[in-house]
Amino acid sequence: GAVVSQHPSWVICKSGTSVKIECRSLDFQATTMFWYRQFPKQSLMLMATSNEGSKATYEQGVEKDKFLINHASLTLSTLTVTSAHPEDSSFYICSANPYEQYFGPGTRLTVT
Amino acid sequence: DAKTTQPTSMDCAEGRAANLPCNHSTISGNEYVYWYRQIHSQGPQYIIHGLKNNETNEMASLIITEDRKSSTLILPHATLRDTAVYYCIVRVGKETSGSRLTFGEGTQLTVNP
Repeated sequence: GAVVSQHPSWVICKSGTSVKIECRSLDFQATTMFWYRQFPKQSLMLMATSNEGSKATYEQGVEKDKFLINHASLTLSTLTVTSAHPEDSSFYICSANPYEQYFGPGTRLTVT
Repeated sequence: DAKTTQPTSMDCAEGRAANLPCNHSTISGNEYVYWYRQIHSQGPQYIIHGLKNNETNEMASLIITEDRKSSTLILPHATLRDTAVYYCIVRVGKETSGSRLTFGEGTQLTVNP
């Protein structure tokens, strides 16, 4: 199946700093990628849809100025959590799909 | 997309078949049934999908009732590595390219030795 990678796997940052998470489609091109967030013992919640060459579409309640998404190429989308706070600590997962939707391994963000 | 209902948790003995049910009584004629699973602290993994016919692949079988209001995912010989949360998702269109998935709470399957 298709492979989606994420970097980093985990990151710890201090409150107030920004963190960038990368999502790459390794063996296919993805005009659309999706960013999800998952809190402990909860299901995945879609945050935004990342579109190559255009602005991302954010779900209701997700602050677009806080979660900056850039999809500059057909194989790379980035999510930047700006001015991170402890409540942003979560598991962030991206996905893309040549046919069926394939998910990255996730990034564990801890904000101290 | 139609709403789905799954049991919160299930147990299965290693080597036995695991049968995971999903109710989707409001499914529309053009909506497919998808199954994904998520092993702890990993990204979800695609398992199988179908429209109205039963489907089988190397991972599992999907049985959809004739009225399409429910389905069952079957793992024929469960192993400890099959312990995961299984999500049943109903959505329009065969190909998910460019389309989002809406995850419910899923079923926590625990395979016991």
